[in-house]
Amino acid sequence: KQEVTQIPAALSVPEGENLVLNCSFTDSAIYNLQWFRQDPGKGLTSLLLIQSSQREQTSGRLNASLDKSSGRSTLYIAASQPGDSATYLCAVKSNTGKLIFGQGTTLQVKP
Amino acid sequence: EAGVAQSPRYKIIEKRQSVAFWCNPISGHATLYWYQQILGQGPKLLIQFQNNGVVDDSQLPKDRFSAERLKGVDSTLKIQPAKLEDSAVYLCASSPDVSYNEQFFGPGTRLTVL
Repeated sequence: KQEVTQIPAALSVPEGENLVLNCSFTDSAIYNLQWFRQDPGKGLTSLLLIQSSQREQTSGRLNASLDKSSGRSTLYIAASQPGDSATYLCAVKSNTGKLIFGQGTTLQVKP
Repeated sequence: EAGVAQSPRYKIIEKRQSVAFWCNPISGHATLYWYQQILGQGPKLLIQFQNNGVVDDSQLPKDRFSAERLKGVDSTLKIQPAKLEDSAVYLCASSPDVSYNEQFFGPGTRLTVL
């Protein structure tokens, strides 16, 4: 049974700092891995999607990496801003199409 | 292009009452998902539809939860009777097809059971 874990559960950093969010999964047989952002009272917004054959994806100040063999993914946020404050969720898509989410990391970026 | 619509946005009920949530997916999307997100946890898939057929309902508590997508477009999720532990955000998502990479999420319905 696939399990997804995110560490840390919460993170508070000063504005401008670079930071890394971690995601681990137990079964390496995944179709893809996706990072989402969730703002309070809102739905999920997709940030980056990495196919199982890829190693990383970049969008602006965000970079996500994937190491299937070790069951790990990281989301790197460069030069953090207060507007980056949100909960970040990673999810793995199984070969049957099911999305399995981690519990999320709540990020606060202080001005 | 309009996104996934959900209503109501908030609902407060007493335990043992019934409640229904509505989802209108993105036009043309064949696959529809309902997720339950308990505070502090990630979303958990409750049920997945492909058009009006159920693909996966293995984590749906069928003694109290039911869902339908009669015409392969809108969907309704019902809880009867509600328990305290059903307090959560219920998210609806859709995608063009089950094999499509991404799912597109609605804003969710926050349910509080007192």
